Amino acid sequence: DARVTQTPRHKVTEMGQEVTMRCQPILGHNTVFWYRQTMMQGLELLAYFRNRAPLDDSGMPKDRFSAEMPDATLATLKIQPSEPRDSAVYFCASGFRGAYEQYFGPGTRLTVT
Amino acid sequence: TQLLEQSPQFLSIQEGENLTVYCNSSSVFSSLQWYRQEPGEGPVLLVTVVTGGEVKKLKRLTFQFGDARKDSSLHITAAQPGDTGLYLCAVLNTGNQFYFGTGTSLTVIP
Repeated sequence: DARVTQTPRHKVTEMGQEVTMRCQPILGHNTVFWYRQTMMQGLELLAYFRNRAPLDDSGMPKDRFSAEMPDATLATLKIQPSEPRDSAVYFCASGFRGAYEQYFGPGTRLTVT
Repeated sequence: TQLLEQSPQFLSIQEGENLTVYCNSSSVFSSLQWYRQEPGEGPVLLVTVVTGGEVKKLKRLTFQFGDARKDSSLHITAAQPGDTGLYLCAVLNTGNQFYFGTGTSLTVIP
């Protein structure tokens, strides 16, 4: 049963610290998405990659957020420096038909104090 | 303003009742998807609709895409406690951008 995995599941950090979240997409999927979910804003697309190349990162605050795919089995989302307003659940999703079918991971719950 | 408005925002019903939730916009979409999200988990894709007027059924769930491809509805027949969750619609617009709706939180009381 192939699944998207995300680590860590929970992260508590202090303001100003660097946070790195990792995602392992389903093997064979060529598209990876990063989302942020909050009660106020709902589910927001931060960035997405196809064949490891970034296609759209317009939803991501460029000054502190960065997303990469070092290889086909790993996607990372980094926040540096983190701020309390970054507290949210961050989801990674992968697919093989672009945005038509996305399979979500369990999320990383980030709390920045 | 949200691109996609879902209604109602919250819904609490008794087991066995029927319900309909809606996803509306003023924009035209290439495709529309419905997801269900349970607490502590990521959203799970239920269905994708691509043709105006299309109706798809998934057991007790019936999904309809509006004729003009601007809106959609999800009807659940004889709701069960296992249907409890956050129902999200999501769209791919003609500019190839992807958005999620605001969500409908459904609680089915045994």
